Amino acid sequence: RKEVEQDPGPFNVPEGATVAFNCTYSNSASQSFFWYRQDCRKEPKLLMSVYSSGNEDGRFTAQLNRASQYISLLIRDSKLSDSATYLCVVNIGGNQFYFGTGTSLTVIP
Amino acid sequence: EAQVTQNPRYLITVTGKKLTVTCSQNMNHEYMSWYRQDPGLGLRQIYYSMNVEVTDKGDVPEGYKVSRKEKRNFPLILESPSPNQTSLYFCASSSGLAGGFSTDTQYFGPGTRLTVL
Repeated sequence: RKEVEQDPGPFNVPEGATVAFNCTYSNSASQSFFWYRQDCRKEPKLLMSVYSSGNEDGRFTAQLNRASQYISLLIRDSKLSDSATYLCVVNIGGNQFYFGTGTSLTVIP
Repeated sequence: EAQVTQNPRYLITVTGKKLTVTCSQNMNHEYMSWYRQDPGLGLRQIYYSMNVEVTDKGDVPEGYKVSRKEKRNFPLILESPSPNQTSLYFCASSSGLAGGFSTDTQYFGPGTRLTVL
């Protein structure tokens, strides 16, 4: 079983739409959670860390549900520039990281 | 400019010919790591290092070696490359200052696309 699973999509949404991605993780001892963004053939870049209480950064909201072992990313008022692949990342403890396969988002004019 | 650099960016080689992919960071980060990215499998961690002379296996270390003789450099060595090592490779680093390596932002290099024939 994979440590981290994501719906690969693709998600195709119109500009201005709200879109949500979920990511499940298998290890209940997982300690740290992140969302990274990866543009086509480029390196991943941190979008936001995910905290237990949930956190927001502008149009982006991340939430963690430890009981159900999933994290979510909500993007409001989608922009064309939000088109990318969104990677869910989990740290189980120690210094090893597990990445999901990514969810592809295309925002359509 | 703070960055992680990798060389070469593209490499086509043949089975069994030893190669090294270099990674260097100028941010004085203690933590460095190598990943490979394959379609349908996502990024998988190969090796990581928490400091000079300290390295640990990640999820998929077979067929790879690393060394950390200097803080800024973390080369990835393929002693005898095989076609199943054809992949996109990323090096990453983090400072660990914001509560430890497990919670800190990782900064990625631009990637090295390796093809083994």
